[in-house]
Amino acid sequence: RKEVEQDPGPFNVPEGATVAFNCTYSNSASQSFFWYRQDCRKEPKLLMSVYSSGNEDGRFTAQLNRASQYISLLIRDSKLSDSATYLCVVNANTGGFKTIFGAGTRLFVKA
Amino acid sequence: EADIYQTPRYLVIGTGKKITLECSQTMGHDKMYWYQQDPGMELHLIHYSYGVNSTEKGDLSSESTVSRIRTEHFPLTLESARPSHTSQYLCASSDERGSSYEQYFGPGTRLTVT
Repeated sequence: RKEVEQDPGPFNVPEGATVAFNCTYSNSASQSFFWYRQDCRKEPKLLMSVYSSGNEDGRFTAQLNRASQYISLLIRDSKLSDSATYLCVVNANTGGFKTIFGAGTRLFVKA
Repeated sequence: EADIYQTPRYLVIGTGKKITLECSQTMGHDKMYWYQQDPGMELHLIHYSYGVNSTEKGDLSSESTVSRIRTEHFPLTLESARPSHTSQYLCASSDERGSSYEQYFGPGTRLTVT
């Protein structure tokens, strides 16, 4: 079983739709959580950190459920420019600090 | 924009050649990483470094080697390139002195071995 699991998609949604991505992690000692965005043939870039209380950045909302070891990303009012792969990232301290990237969920937003 | 640079951006080279992929960052970050990523596939950590003179192998076995003689520089070397090394190589760095742990990625080197 992978340490960080994501639905690979692809998610094909029309402009204006709301779409949600889920991510589960296996290490209960995980300490910090992030969503990254990776455009086709580009490098990953930080989209947002994920806090226990949940956090929002414009049309993007991230939530963390430590009890269920589950992270989510909600995108409202999807834009064509949101088309990308979204990577769930978990930092854990397991005999040394370790950053684990999920395989990513691919999103296509269509006009 | 992140201050992390990789050269070359694209490289096509014949089997058996020795190559070095360069990575430099000007952010003073202690931790640096090399990832390998095939098109449409996930990132695989192949090497990382906690600081000068520190290098560790990552999760994916790799025939490459790395060195960290200076904080800002983390080159990756393939002694004898093979077609199986064809991939994109991404360098990243992070500053873990605060609580961010954000990794900043370079633009990548797309390597093709013929």
